Amino acid sequence: AQTVTQSQPEMSVQEAETVTLSCTYDTSESNYYLFWYKQPPSRQMILVIRQEAYKQQNATENRFSVNFQKAAKSFSLKISDSQLGDTAMYFCAFTNAGGTSYGKLTFGQGTILTVHP
Amino acid sequence: NAGVTQTPKFRVLKTGQSMTLLCAQDMNHEYMYWYRQDPGMGLRLIHYSVGEGTTAKGEVPDGYNVSRLKKQNFLLGLESAAPSQTSVYFCASSYWGLAGGTDTQYFGPGTRLTVL
Repeated sequence: AQTVTQSQPEMSVQEAETVTLSCTYDTSESNYYLFWYKQPPSRQMILVIRQEAYKQQNATENRFSVNFQKAAKSFSLKISDSQLGDTAMYFCAFTNAGGTSYGKLTFGQGTILTVHP
Repeated sequence: NAGVTQTPKFRVLKTGQSMTLLCAQDMNHEYMYWYRQDPGMGLRLIHYSVGEGTTAKGEVPDGYNVSRLKKQNFLLGLESAAPSQTSVYFCASSYWGLAGGTDTQYFGPGTRLTVL
């Protein structure tokens, strides 16, 4: 079974600074997908970024980027120029790419990020 | 498009009562999922469906039943609610292309359920 571990229960950062959230995962599969979801106080789950395991290039979305280390099974999220609106719970998630996975997601425990003015 | 909607947003039940949570999506997605979120834990998959008329068990299916009679709707039922089922419930949907692979899951706003 796949597992996803987020070892940082809480993080804080000053506005405009950079912060990195950690995620490790365990799988025996070679092809899979990784995601970071954001959950603000509104409780809505919002996709931040996704990474296909077969792609060596790290995904980026504006101020958000990942450091994907396949051999180390590590998938960290870097938020640059942090904004107050980035305050949220962040979840790392994993799904196999195989046909029988049906896109089922396995989530980490989450990291609460607080951005201070 | 409304995306993924959930009904109701909040509900309080007494132990032993039953209820049904409704999830609806207007994106023509094949796959739908029900998750629960408990404090200090990530979301855990309860049941999922890969198409109209199909359902399958996820990680924590006990105490729940589901039905997918229409492609756009996915219902989660609690036949006899227990305090351990107090949680926030999320529905999600995704499209699985003919070429395989996986697409992003889109989530509903969640339902906060309290069982007394």
